[in-house]
Amino acid sequence: DTAVSQTPKYLVTQMGNDKSIKCEQNLGHDTMYWYKQDSKKFLKIMFSYNNKELIINETVPNRFSPKSPDKAHLNLHINSLELGDSAVYFCASSQGSGDRGWTGELFFGEGSRLTVL
Amino acid sequence: KQEVTQIPAALSVPEGENLVLNCSFTDSAIYNLQWFRQDPGKGLTSLLLIQSSQREQTSGRLNASLDKSSGRSTLYIAASQPGDSATYLCAVNDYKLSFGAGTTVTVRA
Repeated sequence: DTAVSQTPKYLVTQMGNDKSIKCEQNLGHDTMYWYKQDSKKFLKIMFSYNNKELIINETVPNRFSPKSPDKAHLNLHINSLELGDSAVYFCASSQGSGDRGWTGELFFGEGSRLTVL
Repeated sequence: KQEVTQIPAALSVPEGENLVLNCSFTDSAIYNLQWFRQDPGKGLTSLLLIQSSQREQTSGRLNASLDKSSGRSTLYIAASQPGDSATYLCAVNDYKLSFGAGTTVTVRA
């Protein structure tokens, strides 16, 4: 039974298109994240939501918009895709966050590989 | 801004040898530190989580130490096996997780 699941796993699209990646966790966690892993395999946080409230918003183009309909879901919508958006996007979850009682252990999804042509 | 460095970037050892992977971070005001494993084309699997008050954590053949004052953590893998071949990532939690670039390990049979 998958703890953190992302869809789709692979996404190939043209520049200028809009796409979404969905994430769901069944761990009962209250905090979810989006990370981007670039071609050099470096992982950088993009967003974090705690109980549907945005708590971390890194310097990310505003073409990227996260949406959390409930604490078990965190979706990522990307407008006007650019070549540089090609990467693997990982969703993760944890119980608590930062100074809000974070137990710390993060659980990751399998990743969504986005290729922009 | 927290910076996390992992050395070496790559490591190749014969089966049975012990592995030592290093992680250093610049800001010692952390909540905890987590070691992950990533297989090619896969997500991250949590290996060990060390809280800031702890000095080490052990799980099977894995042992991770934390010296917060010097900004260092070391992951030891005893008696390496070919199945240990993967990229190992260290992540430091100081409100948000900051990752190192990883150490890619190859264990030769």
